[in-house]
Amino acid sequence: GDSVTQMEGPVTLSEEAFLTINCTYTATGYPSLFWYVQYPGEGLQLLLKATKADDKGSNKGFEATYRKETTSFHLEKGSVQVSDSAVYFCALSRPGNTPLVFGKGTRLSVIA
Amino acid sequence: EAGVAQSPRYKIIEKRQSVAFWCNPISGHATLYWYQQILGQGPKLLIQFQNNGVVDDSQLPKDRFSAERLKGVDSTLKIQPAKLEDSAVYLCASSLAGTGGSQPQHFGDGTRLSIL
Repeated sequence: GDSVTQMEGPVTLSEEAFLTINCTYTATGYPSLFWYVQYPGEGLQLLLKATKADDKGSNKGFEATYRKETTSFHLEKGSVQVSDSAVYFCALSRPGNTPLVFGKGTRLSVIA
Repeated sequence: EAGVAQSPRYKIIEKRQSVAFWCNPISGHATLYWYQQILGQGPKLLIQFQNNGVVDDSQLPKDRFSAERLKGVDSTLKIQPAKLEDSAVYLCASSLAGTGGSQPQHFGDGTRLSIL
């Protein structure tokens, strides 16, 4: 079945450091790919998405590129802030209104 | 626009008791999902509704879990009787109905359930 694997956390970075969170997926066909973020005490929020190969999703300085050849969707940010501290989830879904399949999440802590 | 509303935010019960959660999706969203998020893991689908019909309940433990969306708007999820392994955050999400590309799902803040 479909699955998502993302790097284990926690990840601790200093403010203004470069962030990469790795995500790979297993799925047949052409799923859509997502990054969701969960701030402490809050629900999941969509951070960015990509629906086809070579698409780049971006939002709030975060970026991820849909790489079909490596089945990856790594999340990057050039300069993290303390306010980026949260749990980040990589997810996929098949075309249409289908459920999301999530990775286990990666906790990011950014220290000043 | 108002987001997905869930209640209660927290619930503590003893094992073998029953509990119910409520979700009100974003207005106009025909698709509603319930996910279970166990500590340290990503959310996993329990059930998906399209309007008031069930699309996918293959992962719902039907011996103890039930869910309904009678009028195609709000939904309730019930556990009876609860087990210790049901301790989790229960997330409700909704999306517009659509074909082709995936519609983004909008999540509520969840209900954190603790079983003693």
